[in-house]
Amino acid sequence: SQWGEENLQALSIQEGEDVTMNCSYKTYTTVVQWYRQKSGKGPAQLILIRSNEREKRSGRLRATLDTSSQSSSLSITGTLATDTAVYFCATHRGSALGRLHFGAGTQLIVIP
Amino acid sequence: EAAVTQSPRNKVAVTGGKVTLSCNQTNNHNNMYWYRQDTGHGLRLIHYSYGAGSTEKGDIPDGYKASRPSQENFSLILELATPSQTSVYFCASGDAQTNSDYTFGSGTRLLVI
Repeated sequence: SQWGEENLQALSIQEGEDVTMNCSYKTYTTVVQWYRQKSGKGPAQLILIRSNEREKRSGRLRATLDTSSQSSSLSITGTLATDTAVYFCATHRGSALGRLHFGAGTQLIVIP
Repeated sequence: EAAVTQSPRNKVAVTGGKVTLSCNQTNNHNNMYWYRQDTGHGLRLIHYSYGAGSTEKGDIPDGYKASRPSQENFSLILELATPSQTSVYFCASGDAQTNSDYTFGSGTRLLVI
């Protein structure tokens, strides 16, 4: 998972499989955001989950948040080759709202 | 369509030279951010701004200055570029009210030789 380990993680799966990526964070946060970054592009926000939510869905995406263990997960069902990207989780950091702290990311490769 | 546009897309600079990276947003967001991304790592915050005329230091501000002359524009300035500043730089804008709507630019790839 991200953050507990600072290096980029890598996953390689076959198209159609489901996948779950995890991240843990060290500081208090009220929001966890998940981003996807495709090669040569900037990160794109996928899903935002707040501390009063345990689960959030958006299409084939599902995010969970466990504030007691300071961890979050992003699941993708029925992966497509176009889901190949680096996935980041990010939290708001410190008292200055809006500052995002990013984990190292998970490189997901979906093989067609 | 609302967007964040960065220029230039690619830049080669010499050590000791001055580099200015520009960012323009049409989202009407108060908050803007500059991040750098190094291979295999996440994004690290350099400077940010809460509105025109304001700049704040992020997590790694040393060697960088920022300027926010207007709501739409936010620049990152390297007064004396060094090879360690070779990286990909991303600008982003965010909604200060909800902290939920962040848009990133496509990045500027900077090589300092």
